[in-house]
Amino acid sequence: QLQESGPGLVTPSETLALTCTVSGAPITNDNFHWVWIRQTPGKGLEWIGSIYYSGSASYSPSFRGRLTILVDTSKRQFFLRLGSLSAADSGVYFCARRAGVTAGWYFDVWGRGALVTVSS
Amino acid sequence: DIQLTQSPSTLSASVGDRVTISCRASEAISKWVAWYQQKPGKAPSLLIYAASTLESGVPSRFIGSGSGTDFTLTISSLQSDDFATYYCQQYGAFPYSFGLGTKLDI
Repeated sequence: QLQESGPGLVTPSETLALTCTVSGAPITNDNFHWVWIRQTPGKGLEWIGSIYYSGSASYSPSFRGRLTILVDTSKRQFFLRLGSLSAADSGVYFCARRAGVTAGWYFDVWGRGALVTVSS
Repeated sequence: DIQLTQSPSTLSASVGDRVTISCRASEAISKWVAWYQQKPGKAPSLLIYAASTLESGVPSRFIGSGSGTDFTLTISSLQSDDFATYYCQQYGAFPYSFGLGTKLDI
């Protein structure tokens, strides 16, 4: 299971920090990548980026320059930090799991989502 | 980036109907398409991957097909639990992308 946590309201131009806690399977399982996906009114579902337990991360070009994804295996958590926020970043942020390193980049386990509103 | 165009955006149907949702990619992506179902207030749920492979536990009335640029999701006999929004997703090219969804309602 995956569970997102973080602030529901963020001020424009500030940085969003979200945490995803992994349970039921080790975050160090070398079969999986851990992923952030968001759903906004303007663009629908968007793949944001991913991280492997080793710390190797991949980011969508749409977010490069203001995005960092990190992992803390001791806490079974991975993190999203997205800076320079605007109202267009408001939406639901999901953490998810890539189905397996030998599988394609589709996502078989999702968190329930965290609603984020960017407003002053 | 590859764009996915789903049609129709909304589809009205009845229990027992056979329905088909289309997903067209702006470039060829072989068979690397997944389909998801999303209900209000919930996360998407994986139905199909590799265009036609059913995820474990998904009913066999969900059928995926296609390759290249044109893909379809067919529900052979609608059940009341199937009224939801459906999304296609491509993973044939980076960055991975989703369609805008097809809302299936009564």
